[in-house]
Amino acid sequence: GENVEQHPSTLSVQEGDSAVIKCTYSDSASNYFPWYKQELGKRPQLIIDIRSNVGEKKDQRIAVTLNKTAKHFSLHITETQPEDSAVYFCAASITYNNNDMRFGAGTRLTVKP
Amino acid sequence: EAGVTQSPTHLIKTRGQQATLRCSPISGHTSVYWYQQALGLGLQFLLWYDEGEERNRGNFPPRFSGRQFPNYSSELNVNALELEDSALYLCASSNLFPAQVGGYTFGSGTRLTVV
Repeated sequence: GENVEQHPSTLSVQEGDSAVIKCTYSDSASNYFPWYKQELGKRPQLIIDIRSNVGEKKDQRIAVTLNKTAKHFSLHITETQPEDSAVYFCAASITYNNNDMRFGAGTRLTVKP
Repeated sequence: EAGVTQSPTHLIKTRGQQATLRCSPISGHTSVYWYQQALGLGLQFLLWYDEGEERNRGNFPPRFSGRQFPNYSSELNVNALELEDSALYLCASSNLFPAQVGGYTFGSGTRLTVV
């Protein structure tokens, strides 16, 4: 089955700096890669996703890149703000086969004011 | 529109007992997924139900089971509770093609504590 690895497990940046979180996946058939943000005590919420027919997607300060050959994808947050502090999870799934997503272990991002 | 609702919010059980957790998906969603989030750890896939059938299960022992009802709500049952079952149990729902509609929507979870 699919195995998703996520790095780093913790990340601390100064407000205004950029943050990058990287994930690798094992199943080359995976074709959908969402990112979720989980603030303390709250539910995970989708912040951005990318499908395998696209190499990059951007939404304001966040962007995701996908390298299908290398089987890795990354989340980029620019101009970080304290409210970006949360745990971020990457995930991968094969949407035409099993819909269940396999998540990375999470990255705890702390943005210091 | 109501989101994914889970009940109860908190549950305290004694080792060896059974726990039942409930989830109501967003209206129109036919798939329900269960995940275990132990403290400080990631989301571990437990079960996926769609149209009343178990479609896939993660690497958990058989004492973790569940079902989906005709109204698409779902139950997760954990038998013979062990201390390490203490975790936040998250339910998520989607239609059959989550990639087309922005992935999953998660509930707020049930925090199960086994003492």
